[in-house]
Amino acid sequence: NAGVTQTPKFRVLKTGQSMTLLCAQDMNHEYMYWYRQDPGMGLRLIHYSVGEGTTAKGEVPDGYNVSRLKKQNFLLGLESAAPSQTSVYFCASSPDRGLMQFFGPGTRLTVL
Amino acid sequence: AQSVTQPDIHITVSEGASLELRCNYSYGATPYLFWYVQSPGQGLQLLLKYFSGDTLVQGIKGFEAEFKRSQSSFNLRKPSVHWSDAAEYFCAVDSGNMLTFGGGTRLMVKP
Repeated sequence: NAGVTQTPKFRVLKTGQSMTLLCAQDMNHEYMYWYRQDPGMGLRLIHYSVGEGTTAKGEVPDGYNVSRLKKQNFLLGLESAAPSQTSVYFCASSPDRGLMQFFGPGTRLTVL
Repeated sequence: AQSVTQPDIHITVSEGASLELRCNYSYGATPYLFWYVQSPGQGLQLLLKYFSGDTLVQGIKGFEAEFKRSQSSFNLRKPSVHWSDAAEYFCAVDSGNMLTFGGGTRLMVKP
């Protein structure tokens, strides 16, 4: 039981490049989330999903897209990376709303 | 809109001393409240949660928190801090389908 895993752990991009971050969970959770963490700002929700095939915008969705084609995976895409997207990205999952979220180890992304 | 405020960005305590980390929230309905801890380079781990009932909740690693509706607060406490408690602590409120986090408090522990 690996819990929540994220791929890759580190990435450096140039401005304008695209990439996809993968989050996988093996706990059969319905809800999955993508957050970004910036110093002094806590975690801010980018997008979330309440089940396979669904996605919804969070607090800071601009510049990101997501897909949840399989229940266990939640992908975060950056189509044209910008320096403002330099951050640490965390994925989380939970069995239902209002319950505790289980977090992955994070992906550190640097956009030059 | 919901919000969470952690007034203290940094706190330093001596090992063995007591600890209180402050958290104030703004949310219209009865909140679900959480405290998470993040060690350097790691993801977040749940310390404790409040959904309803007893306003004093116990968590892992000897932490507890008290929900005070009248003060819109959910402060985290520990009677005796250990060096391994040095980390960043986040308070969060569940507001429907998402968690709203405070800015975090970084705890440093002096020997």
